[in-house]
Amino acid sequence: RKEVEQDPGPFNVPEGATVAFNCTYSNSASQSFFWYRQDCRKEPKLLMSVYSSGNEDGRFTAQLNRASQYISLLIRDSKLSDSATYLCVPKRSGATNKLIFGTGTLLAVQP
Amino acid sequence: DAGVIQSPRHEVTEMGQEVTLRCKPISGHNSLFWYRQTMMRGLELLIYFNNNVPIDDSGMPEDRFSAKMPNASFSTLKIQPSEPRDSAVYFCASGRITGELFFGEGSRLTVL
Repeated sequence: RKEVEQDPGPFNVPEGATVAFNCTYSNSASQSFFWYRQDCRKEPKLLMSVYSSGNEDGRFTAQLNRASQYISLLIRDSKLSDSATYLCVPKRSGATNKLIFGTGTLLAVQP
Repeated sequence: DAGVIQSPRHEVTEMGQEVTLRCKPISGHNSLFWYRQTMMRGLELLIYFNNNVPIDDSGMPEDRFSAKMPNASFSTLKIQPSEPRDSAVYFCASGRITGELFFGEGSRLTVL
């Protein structure tokens, strides 16, 4: 099983829609999680950090389900500018900070 | 504040040539990562350093790849000899132990 798995998509949604995608992780020792956003031909940029059960930042909500080992990202009121690839990264507890990225989920918001 | 700085931004070279990619991390960050990204394989971790010491290089494809971090403000990734299958975007990222990473704009390598 891969360390991090994401549905590659694409998720095609109309403007204003709510969309959610999941990221499953295999290592139960993962303690914190990060969502990154990557625009086409650009570098990944940190979108959100999750250290407990979840986090919310404006239209973006991340929820962690430790029992099932997945973390979800919910985007409300989608904007055209939300079109990007969303990458998930779990981090293990302790001193090691080896960060393995998922392959990402492509979101395309349509006008 | 300056972010992670990578050079060159683009490089086109011929098979067999040596390629050196450079990275200046954000000041104060104690971790540095090298990733490679292709359409087929996504973002792959090649190697990472904590406090200038290589911690895990298990992602380095083979002996043709080497990475160094002689001080806290500079790292290199070298490919010698280069092959067409090394064509990719190479990202350098720096961060703290908490895990948030900040990426450079990447070095796009094409090996003919």
